[in-house]
Amino acid sequence: GQQVMQIPQYQHVQEGEDFTTYCNSSTTLSNIQWYKQRPGGHPVFLIQLVKSGEVKKQKRLTFQFGEAKKNSSLHITATQTTDVGTYFCAGRISNDYKLSFGAGTTVTVRA
Amino acid sequence: GAVVSQHPSWVICKSGTSVKIECRSLDFQATTMFWYRQFPKQSLMLMATSNEGSKATYEQGVEKDKFLINHASLTLSTLTVTSAHPEDSSFYICSARVAGEGLDNEQFFGPGTRLTVL
Repeated sequence: GQQVMQIPQYQHVQEGEDFTTYCNSSTTLSNIQWYKQRPGGHPVFLIQLVKSGEVKKQKRLTFQFGEAKKNSSLHITATQTTDVGTYFCAGRISNDYKLSFGAGTTVTVRA
Repeated sequence: GAVVSQHPSWVICKSGTSVKIECRSLDFQATTMFWYRQFPKQSLMLMATSNEGSKATYEQGVEKDKFLINHASLTLSTLTVTSAHPEDSSFYICSARVAGEGLDNEQFFGPGTRLTVL
């Protein structure tokens, strides 16, 4: 079964507002990756977090990895229409490079 | 970044036929490729891990005799859906991992193949 839980499943955001999507794992992760999938497209790698408590920023996107390496979050500020899509977290649990994907947060933006 | 291609991008077939999907890494060698299945508005579910020159490792619940995987070279893996049925209709996506020290172990995804079985 799915080992990485992600919430919320849907996020409808007013343009210009901020939002956050969260991932939680029941087991300690060796790393966590985030992907974005545009409607009709395929997942595109955004970032990887490896260290406990790590924080990385990409322009308006801030990614965090929890101290216990069991949770992660993606925070987007000043949402734009280009942010539309589904954001997936994917945790690497074992040493065989397999990723366990969260259910994804589908983001829609109203102008 | 690394480019992964898939062929065909979409296929419609009759129930009972077999369909082969190719996944190629275009500008790098991929020792490991992964095959995922994605139903509409759902997450990616890993089907199998494919290592060049060896048998694929299938996830629990995935029938290896139905979903045949071959990874004959460092740039090509194929997934064959044998005796396809309507419930096999889905979006099949492959990814390739770039091996090597100092790399992020990110997976590069192909554009996916949409299979519709009538």
